[in-house]
Amino acid sequence: DAGVTQSPTHLIKTRGQHVTLRCSPISGHKSVSWYQQVLGQGPQFIFQYYEKEERGRGNFPDRFSARQFPNYSSELNVNALLLGDSALYLCASSHYRDLETQYFGPGTRLLVL
Amino acid sequence: QQQVKQSPQSLIVQKGGISIINCAYENTAFDYFPWYQQFPGKGPALLIAIRPDVSEKKEGRFTISFNKSAKQFSLHIMDSQPGDSATYFCAARKDAGNMLTFGGGTRLMVKP
Repeated sequence: DAGVTQSPTHLIKTRGQHVTLRCSPISGHKSVSWYQQVLGQGPQFIFQYYEKEERGRGNFPDRFSARQFPNYSSELNVNALLLGDSALYLCASSHYRDLETQYFGPGTRLLVL
Repeated sequence: QQQVKQSPQSLIVQKGGISIINCAYENTAFDYFPWYQQFPGKGPALLIAIRPDVSEKKEGRFTISFNKSAKQFSLHIMDSQPGDSATYFCAARKDAGNMLTFGGGTRLMVKP
């Protein structure tokens, strides 16, 4: 079975631009969470979506938004990019019967110049 | 505010030795404590996890020790191998939510 997939793998943007990152969860998983991992640090929680509804939000500005589609895939959108948004963006999925066990994808490496 | 503190930041162990990584937390509402292993260019992979009603959990060469009164937990890697060289993260989750709070990570190097 395929694990969590994310696209693109790498992305370069300039300050002020907008970016959309995509995530496909493991088949059968209905919960998707997004994390930001700055180089040399642990991941920080951004959002959780379950059954297409936002169920949790971390301490990130409104420039960050997300949504989940009927097939449970998800998008993370970041507007007005700042240099500090450069990071590895991780998506994690979990099964509704075991929400606490989160399986991470390989991430999207975003560089903002 | 860092709610989960992890130490050491880096660790060098000889092959066959024991690697020990420690974490301390502040929020007593945390009820699930996983450890993740991350290789360069990859996402974190779940290694082992524990709940606070258990003091120790062992899976293969990996053991979590949990001290609820001290609000501390640790990962022990027995018979450490060069293939274990990676960054390890502890994490904690609050009840009724799926948000994981991660420690800062420990870069482990196992020398052959």
